[in-house]
This record gives sequence, structure tokens and C-alpha cells, in this order.
Amino acid sequence: AQSVAQPEDQVNVAEGNPLTVKCTYSVSGNPYLFWYVQYPNRGLQFLLKYITGDNLVKGSYGFEAEFNKSQTSFHLKKPSALVSDSALYFCAVRGSGNTGKLIFGQGTTLQVKP
Amino acid sequence: DAGITQSPRYKITETGRQVTLMCHQTWSHSYMFWYRQDLGHGLRLIYYSAAADITDKGEVPDGYVVSRSKTENFPLTLESATRSQTSVYFCASSVAPGQGNTEAFFGQGTRLTVV
Repeated sequence: AQSVAQPEDQVNVAEGNPLTVKCTYSVSGNPYLFWYVQYPNRGLQFLLKYITGDNLVKGSYGFEAEFNKSQTSFHLKKPSALVSDSALYFCAVRGSGNTGKLIFGQGTTLQVKP
Repeated sequence: DAGITQSPRYKITETGRQVTLMCHQTWSHSYMFWYRQDLGHGLRLIYYSAAADITDKGEVPDGYVVSRSKTENFPLTLESATRSQTSVYFCASSVAPGQGNTEAFFGQGTRLTVV
């Protein structure tokens, strides 16, 4: 079955420090992987995706994510966190097969403190 | 305006009433999705559609009905609303897998309260 796990409900980091938000997935076939961000009372904004190719993908606002096929992981990273990065982050997976279903994880709240 | 729009943005309804949430996209995306967002559960897929007249259940379909007679519209109906359906509902659209940019684009959400 297709699924996504974000093991941390909340991640706390000091401004200027590197951050990592974890994601693992399960899907048949080759995965399409995504990260989205949600600010309070807003919709979801696309950050970055992995389709194929280089395992390290770069996205908006200085975020990047590393695809690891053997560990079925797609962790979100940023070298230097900003207070404005504080938000709710969602990982999502889509199978490359015909169903096209897009499944999200439970979300991780990122709190960046000054 | 181009994009994906949901209506209404806010809705209060009574238990047992039928309510329909609307979703309209202007990109001619083949795929459309409905999610509900609840604290502690993240985003859960209710139904999705791969094309007009093709719909399929997601993770939490019970109590909901969808239709897709036109590519651009994907209404979600709660046939007899219950308090447990109080939630924020998001609609999204995307191209099919393998057809270029496969990320989904989201509407602003509908906050539904069932009293």
C-alpha cells in the first residue's frame, strides 16, 4: 500500500542552524516525491520534488531534499534556518503507475527560534 | 482567473444536511483530488479523479460522494453531514504521472463546520 511517514510531529531548531525534516515512504514502482509547506490559515505551497535523476534536489527558499532509494527516505534539509521558515511541512508520494494517487504524511511543524 | 478555486471558503451546516463543496481549475489538469485536514491526521485523501467520469476512493471516502462530469470541476458532496466531518477541505489538481511537472496545485481550502 502507498504510504508516507513523518516520524516527528515537531522539529525545533535555532536560527542559523541546519535543519532536517524526515520522511520515509512506501509505494509500488518508482516514486514521485514532494515536499509542501503550509503557513497558518493558508493553502499548501509546493517546495520541491524528486522524479528521477540526481538524488539531491533543490527547491524554493533554499530548501533541498535527498532521495535515498535503499532507505526509502526523502528528508528535507536547509543549511541555515530562518525564523520565517517556521511552518507546517508535508511530505507526499505519488506512484508512477496508472493510479496517480497522491498521499501525504501527517506533517511536521518546524519551529525556528531566534 | 487562472488557477484552482474552491467555494465556499467557509460553511456552517447542521447535522444531517447535504452540503456540496465546489472546486474549479482552469489548467485542464486531468487529475483532481479532495483532501481533509484535521489536527493530528495531516492531509487525508478522500477521493480523486484521473479524468472526467473517472473517480476512485482515497483513504477516507465514507460519507462523501464525488462526480466529475467536466474536466474542470470536481464537486464534493456530504450526503448527510456529521460532526466528525467538521474539517478543512482542500482540493488539488495536477497532470498525470509522467507528463511533466507532476506536482499538485492546491486551492485555498474550505473550512466546514457541522453543528
